Amino acid sequence: ELKVEQNPLFLSMQEGKNYTIYCNYSTTSDRLYWYRQDPGKSLESLFVLLSNGAVKQEGRLMASLDTKARLSTLHITAAVHDLSATYFCAVDRSGGSNYKLTFGKGTLLTVNP
Amino acid sequence: SAVISQKPSRDICQRGTSLTIQCQVDSQVTMMFWYRQQPGQSLTLIATANQGSEATYESGFVIDKFPISRPNLTFSTLTVSNMSPEDSSIYLCSVARSETQYFGPGTRLLVL
Repeated sequence: ELKVEQNPLFLSMQEGKNYTIYCNYSTTSDRLYWYRQDPGKSLESLFVLLSNGAVKQEGRLMASLDTKARLSTLHITAAVHDLSATYFCAVDRSGGSNYKLTFGKGTLLTVNP
Repeated sequence: SAVISQKPSRDICQRGTSLTIQCQVDSQVTMMFWYRQQPGQSLTLIATANQGSEATYESGFVIDKFPISRPNLTFSTLTVSNMSPEDSSIYLCSVARSETQYFGPGTRLLVL
């Protein structure tokens, strides 16, 4: 059974600081997703990582995937208040493209002024 | 991207009753999925709905409790049957398109 572990689960940051959220998973997969969820809202797709070594960046967020280590990271650069949300990683359990996702528990990020 | 709508957006139901949730996508997709997000928790896949075949359920979810219909390539329904307070959750449909999985706005269900 695929297990997806995120850490930390809670993260309180000051504006302007950098931090990394980690996502470990237990079985082989070449497909990993990062989502953002604001309170009371649905999930917004941030990144799709499709191969070993994939790196994607959008604004202050950068995601990477190391399939050998079964690890993905979401790096936050110079955090701003607008980044406050819950961030989920999700892994395609087939390792391929059946889109059946197993989610981590989420990281609740709070960025303080 | 994909534009997904769900109805109802929220509901309060009595235990023992059933609720049918509708999911509409802006264009045809092969696979649609239903997820549950219990309060303060992560998402769990309930089932995969493919047009023209029976839905495929994940471990811990059964058809009698969560019957699913998929009458065409843009629409699906999920019924939560014989509800109990433990069914209080957000139910989200999602679709796969262009290597990404998109989620609908969710249906917030409270069972009293």
